[in-house]
Amino acid sequence: DGGITQSPKYLFRKEGQNVTLSCEQNLNHDAMYWYRQDPGQGLRLIYYSQIVNDFQKGDIAEGYSVSREKKESFPLTVTSAQKNPTAFYLCASSIQRGGQETQYFGPGTRLLVL
Amino acid sequence: AQSVTQLDSQVPVFEEAPVELRCNYSSSVSVYLFWYVQYPNQGLQLLLKYLSGSTLVKGINGFEAEFNKSQTSFHLRKPSVHISDTAEYFCAVSETDSWGKLQFGAGTQVVVTP
Repeated sequence: DGGITQSPKYLFRKEGQNVTLSCEQNLNHDAMYWYRQDPGQGLRLIYYSQIVNDFQKGDIAEGYSVSREKKESFPLTVTSAQKNPTAFYLCASSIQRGGQETQYFGPGTRLLVL
Repeated sequence: AQSVTQLDSQVPVFEEAPVELRCNYSSSVSVYLFWYVQYPNQGLQLLLKYLSGSTLVKGINGFEAEFNKSQTSFHLRKPSVHISDTAEYFCAVSETDSWGKLQFGAGTQVVVTP
């Protein structure tokens, strides 16, 4: 089955700790995205990547970092600089960049702060 | 920059009744329009999208939406809902000259009761 997998489903972070959320896709998509979802606010873009070894900041990149060493993988690190990390994190991918392209979403990771 | 307004945060509806979810957008350029559905604790799934051509777009699960350029709207409708349609629905916009950034509305929670 082709699709996007995110792990873990739930993640707990202690104060001052960095945590990494995994996102893998086997759709052979070039573009990948990370969104943060908070209740009543819709989705906000954190980072996106159009090709391997290249990525750009989205609207709320502060306190987050990413890498894109492989086409199929786009991990997100929530650093200790992110003061309010509790949220639902969604990874998405699309065949290529372009406004007309459908973005396909993974099942999400819920991050909670202890 | 584009923005999206979903006029209703929650829509209660009885089973087999019709439902309409309202979405208005603002943009200085032409746009592509999307509706996504999110079931509890899951990722988003595309319902339908408007790229060009006919302003009436049919999607999955019996949903349809109509693009109205003069009113900058893209309302979603279903003539008869099922209990399984209980979910959150997101309207999203991308500008035609963009790299593919999606701007999401805040979402509309649809609750279908027997």
